[in-house]
Amino acid sequence: QVQLQESGPGLVKPSETLSLTCTVSGDSISLYYWSWIRQPPGKGLEWIGYIYSTGSTNYNPSLKSRVTMSVDTSRNQFSLQLGSVTAADTAVYYCVREDGGGIDYWGQGTLVTVSS
Amino acid sequence: QSVLTQPPSVSGAPGQRVTISCTGSSSNIGAGYDVHWYQHHPGTAPKLLIYGNSNRPSGVPDRFSDSKSGTSASLAITGLQSEDEADYYCQSYDSRLSGSVFGGGTKLTVL
Repeated sequence: QVQLQESGPGLVKPSETLSLTCTVSGDSISLYYWSWIRQPPGKGLEWIGYIYSTGSTNYNPSLKSRVTMSVDTSRNQFSLQLGSVTAADTAVYYCVREDGGGIDYWGQGTLVTVSS
Repeated sequence: QSVLTQPPSVSGAPGQRVTISCTGSSSNIGAGYDVHWYQHHPGTAPKLLIYGNSNRPSGVPDRFSDSKSGTSASLAITGLQSEDEADYYCQSYDSRLSGSVFGGGTKLTVL
């Protein structure tokens, strides 16, 4: 059974960088596309971007200037960095697996609050 | 504002049939890209309900079905049950954005 687990600070100060890591178990990260999705409080889902095991990335144009994703195949992990955060970046962040047939595995989600 | 448009809410009585629409454009649904549907109970992770050409993952009952026409797609739920009360999202690929796009979500209330 594939499992994904997000980890990282739950509180980030405005203008700083949000950093999250997703640890994948039950499957090799060397296959599939691995993405980040977020959901601000009371709002819908937003796709942040994906990374492939080769390091190839694709980001949501609305966040592209602030987003960096990386992958560590030796640890079966991938990461998200979102810079210059504001209160609008407060959300539940999910790491997920996309295989072309939708998102079949989700992490439990982690709430990140941007506040001083 | 979401790239894919869904009604904010729908409702139905137990046993009834409801549909949830998802309207896109020529760069996503209209371009022939697959539409996927998710069920989301607040406080839990969303669950893949239907993917690709009307495929259901193992364990999803056949009460859930979808259809697609032109730049729109629809999710149909028959024999409504109380546990179907949740938020539902559609997802597709957009060639202009070169990435995934979601609908704004629809809250289903079972009366």
